[in-house]
Amino acid sequence: DQQVKQNSPSLSVQEGRISILNCDYTNSMFDYFLWYKKYPAEGPTFLISISSIKDKNEDGRFTVFLNKSAKHLSLHIVPSQPGDSAVYFCAASASRSGGSNYKLTFGKGTLLTVNP
Amino acid sequence: GAVVSQHPSRVICKSGTSVKIECRSLDFQATTMFWYRQFPKQSLMLMATSNEGSKATYEQGVEKDKFLINHASLTLSTLTVTSAHPEDSSFYICSARPRGRARDTQYFGPGTRLTVL
Repeated sequence: DQQVKQNSPSLSVQEGRISILNCDYTNSMFDYFLWYKKYPAEGPTFLISISSIKDKNEDGRFTVFLNKSAKHLSLHIVPSQPGDSAVYFCAASASRSGGSNYKLTFGKGTLLTVNP
Repeated sequence: GAVVSQHPSRVICKSGTSVKIECRSLDFQATTMFWYRQFPKQSLMLMATSNEGSKATYEQGVEKDKFLINHASLTLSTLTVTSAHPEDSSFYICSARPRGRARDTQYFGPGTRLTVL
């Protein structure tokens, strides 16, 4: 039962263009969403997050959009750079699960390749 | 800052042996550490959550007697895979949440590739 889904295993874009990574979730209890970036042989690093009380959060070139009614979120990277090439994981947590531990449920990831 | 290390990075062992993986927070104290497992082209699956000084909380379907977790200090957690079998071959990754930090703060280690022959 995949509660967080990233249906595109890979995405290829040209440098300077926009990258849009998508994520869908099924658990309506999720109220906090995060994006992580992972390079090979390294652990995931936190990129950006959004609470369910918002529909947009922006940090530099990265913007996350949340559509609660559709249970969908997306990460926009603009302009895309070759150094952005990595696997991007979407993750979600529910404030009422696990007490103060806020367990994360991850998607399978999307491999982004930004071509020079 | 906020570096998490794991040791070893790779381990190959024979079926039936036990393997210990260490997770250390190098420059902060971690009240909570998480252990994940990732199979190829799959998501990171949470195995257990450990709080310093208390027993780990295991996710459904994860055998606590097979995957022993010890969080003896604020900077070290260990995962021991007991009597390893080929199906335990996977990528094991830990994360640590610094004391007093918000829910979105989890720093991940680089992972350990376990291969059981």
